[in-house]
Amino acid sequence: DSGVTQTPKHLITATGQRVTLRCSPRSGDLSVYWYQQSLDQGLQFLIHYYNGEERAKGNILERFSAQQFPDLHSELNLSSLELGDSALYFCASSVGGPSLNNYGYTFGSGTRLTVV
Amino acid sequence: SQQGEEDPQALSIQEGENATMNCSYKTSINNLQWYRQNSGRGLVHLILIRSNEREKHSGRLRVTLDTSKKSSSLLITASRAADTASYFCASTQGGSEKLVFGKGTKLTVNP
Repeated sequence: DSGVTQTPKHLITATGQRVTLRCSPRSGDLSVYWYQQSLDQGLQFLIHYYNGEERAKGNILERFSAQQFPDLHSELNLSSLELGDSALYFCASSVGGPSLNNYGYTFGSGTRLTVV
Repeated sequence: SQQGEEDPQALSIQEGENATMNCSYKTSINNLQWYRQNSGRGLVHLILIRSNEREKHSGRLRVTLDTSKKSSSLLITASRAADTASYFCASTQGGSEKLVFGKGTKLTVNP
């Protein structure tokens, strides 16, 4: 157990639907990062939150949104789902941001999303 | 976009041999990190090397960094079957808040 909790572990849904992925960071970590991993694109950075504020955006589609709540947990919302959104979605946390971080990220075990 | 590019894409060795993976990156970095991922699982942080460091060790792992060549290498000595996994390098560019991963090297250690 890495200390980063992601739910659900598996999700199967139909095209056009909306889902919410949840992440609880490791205790004491203020930063939460979301990544998408697919076979063809590899690990793609989506978004980074630090203590409730958005700090960086990557290749995140407009159909996707995220937020970090006062208790520091984060949710990634994926809407109007397409077959190509099928992937592993990882959340990671760290104490500070990546440029100040000297200890690496702690990853959760991921949510496997299958869009049918 | 990929900041790091690992080489080789796949590596198969026998237990007890050493495994070397390389990573090249494009722009200046704050630090470079290596992660391991067992199939379908989350990534595990292995080691971080700062831009002003040249070599770092952790157990059977040795990482080198050459900022003039914009490259890093990960050496796993005396490999074990349990080392079978994908290995990724990752780095941030300048003051960016994005940690960008390469596509990884898939290592297979045969018993």
